[in-house]
Amino acid sequence: EAGVAQSPRYKIIEKRQSVAFWCNPISGHATLYWYQQILGQGPKLLIQFQNNGVVDDSQLPKDRFSAERLKGVDSTLKIQPAKLEDSAVYLCASSFTGTGEQFFGPGTRLTVL
Amino acid sequence: KQEVTQIPAALSVPEGENLVLNCSFTDSAIYNLQWFRQDPGKGLTSLLLIQSSQREQTSGRLNASLDKSSGRSTLYIAASQPGDSATYLCAVRKGAQKLVFGQGTRLTINP
Repeated sequence: EAGVAQSPRYKIIEKRQSVAFWCNPISGHATLYWYQQILGQGPKLLIQFQNNGVVDDSQLPKDRFSAERLKGVDSTLKIQPAKLEDSAVYLCASSFTGTGEQFFGPGTRLTVL
Repeated sequence: KQEVTQIPAALSVPEGENLVLNCSFTDSAIYNLQWFRQDPGKGLTSLLLIQSSQREQTSGRLNASLDKSSGRSTLYIAASQPGDSATYLCAVRKGAQKLVFGQGTRLTINP
């Protein structure tokens, strides 16, 4: 069974530029999560989707971050414009149900200069 | 608001030792607790998931326990190996709410 796929693995951008990350969850997993992990900290949930609907986006900085999961499968997370403090690893995870075990992708390491 | 604490932040032990990693949480009304491993530059690998009704889970050399009433979980690693070196994270969930993570314990096993 294929795991959670993410791309790109690394991205370096200048502040005020925009960037997008892509995630493909494990086949059949209805719930998809985007996390932000700053160096030395545990992951923080940005947004949770159940199929193509948003369950929780309370910690998503909506003035600059957006995410979509149009067909209930893969998802994109966008930052526009990026700030220095957005430098982090962005992790995508999926689970079969909203309360089930979560499986993580390899992450995208973003550096904002 | 749920807070999860992992102590110590870093631990270094010689190969072959048994060791215990600690996780504490402030709200005991949890749905489940999950232990993860994270290698440098990699994503998280799920190690064990304990439902709120369970006391422990085992997988190979790993054993995780859960004491909801005291707000604690431990991850026991038997006969540690250099390949066990990684950061270990615990995370708790309340109902359908989000996972709340601790900051992790960075474990180094010295050959």
